[in-house]
Amino acid sequence: KQEVTQIPAALSVPEGENLVLNCSFTDSAIYNLQWFRQDPGKGLTSLLLIQSSQREQTSGRLNASLDKSSGRSTLYIAASQPGDSATYLCAVDSGAGSYQLTFGKGTKLSVIP
Amino acid sequence: DADVTQTPRNRITKTGKRIMLECSQTKGHDRMYWYRQDPGLGLRLIYYSFDVKDINKGEISDGYSVSRQAQAKFSLSLESAIPNQTALYFCATSGGGGEYEQYFGPGTRLTVT
Repeated sequence: KQEVTQIPAALSVPEGENLVLNCSFTDSAIYNLQWFRQDPGKGLTSLLLIQSSQREQTSGRLNASLDKSSGRSTLYIAASQPGDSATYLCAVDSGAGSYQLTFGKGTKLSVIP
Repeated sequence: DADVTQTPRNRITKTGKRIMLECSQTKGHDRMYWYRQDPGLGLRLIYYSFDVKDINKGEISDGYSVSRQAQAKFSLSLESAIPNQTALYFCATSGGGGEYEQYFGPGTRLTVT
């Protein structure tokens, strides 16, 4: 059974700092990996999706990398802003197109002005 | 208007009552999903549907049932609610056919007393 772990559970950084969020998964036979953002009381917003054949994806100040062989992904946020404060969730699709996601428990990020 | 909507947004009900949570989407996606989110447990898949006639159980389907009334509508029912079904419930959609990214609704906060 696939398990997804995100460390740390919470992170506090000063505004402007570059930071990395980590995600690890136990079964490297994944189809894709998706990073989400969740704001308090709101749903999830998809940030980046990396296919198993890709090594990284970029969107604005966000860069996600994937190392399938080691079971790891990182989300890099450049020049953090207070508006980046949220919980970041990593999810993997292990199912050969089954579209079923297994989620980590998230990292709660606080960017201090 | 939001692409994925959920009603109600908040609901308090009593043990033993039947309750239905509704999800509608305007993205034209074939695939729809129901998840629940619990503190400390992350998001877990309850049911998913690849089209109107294709409905599948997820990781935690016991105590729940679903109905796919149309491509755009997917409802989750709790036949006899119990307190440990108190959670945040999310509906999500994805396009299929190589479109793997999942899009989430705003969630329904359900409390069973």
